[in-house]
Amino acid sequence: DTAVSQTPKYLVTQMGNDKSIKCEQNLGHDTMYWYKQDSKKFLKIMFSYNNKELIINETVPNRFSPKSPDKAHLNLHINSLELGDSAVYFCASSQEGSGPNSPLHFGNGTRLTVT
Amino acid sequence: SQKIEQNSEALNIQEGKTATLTCNYTNYSPAYLQWYRQDPGRGPVFLLLIRENEKEKRKERLKVTFDTTLKQSLFHITASQPADSATYLCALGDLDSNYQLIWGAGTKLIIKP
Repeated sequence: DTAVSQTPKYLVTQMGNDKSIKCEQNLGHDTMYWYKQDSKKFLKIMFSYNNKELIINETVPNRFSPKSPDKAHLNLHINSLELGDSAVYFCASSQEGSGPNSPLHFGNGTRLTVT
Repeated sequence: SQKIEQNSEALNIQEGKTATLTCNYTNYSPAYLQWYRQDPGRGPVFLLLIRENEKEKRKERLKVTFDTTLKQSLFHITASQPADSATYLCALGDLDSNYQLIWGAGTKLIIKP
């Protein structure tokens, strides 16, 4: 009964390929996020969805496209992968968007390696 | 420029002692600050939240302080145990950007038996 689950855990692929990462939460939360954690361990928000609607779209190349088929799922599709896309990608959810009453619940990450 | 800083070097503490981790920020208007724990290969796990009008929060062996004058939060673990070894992240809820969380890079804590 994992709260936030993302697949795959590891993804190794070549430059130029297209790949997807899936995320599901069973907490009944309204808001879901994608974060990127780089080699220096900084977590940087990429996207935020509230009830299937895009709320935050940080400066991310348009090769990255989130898709939310329902409020329990938020998938991340990446086109034309580049070496610099190598990082750990975390999915997270919260009860009601950003705010002091809504701590984030994270998945265990997907380590993407682009060769 | 805006930044949030945690001690980038690992902190080595003897078991049983109190570990104190620091989170400093510059040019943000924090509404609150959260602390998370991250183990290798896992996602961050929420530990504690402190609001900008609070001085101190406690939860079991954990204590967080918030000094908006010094622009600093301290995270304490008393009676530390080897199982407390992990990376600890602070995240600031920025009032000026609708509470968007701004993350520090974390401090790696090592508790030695």
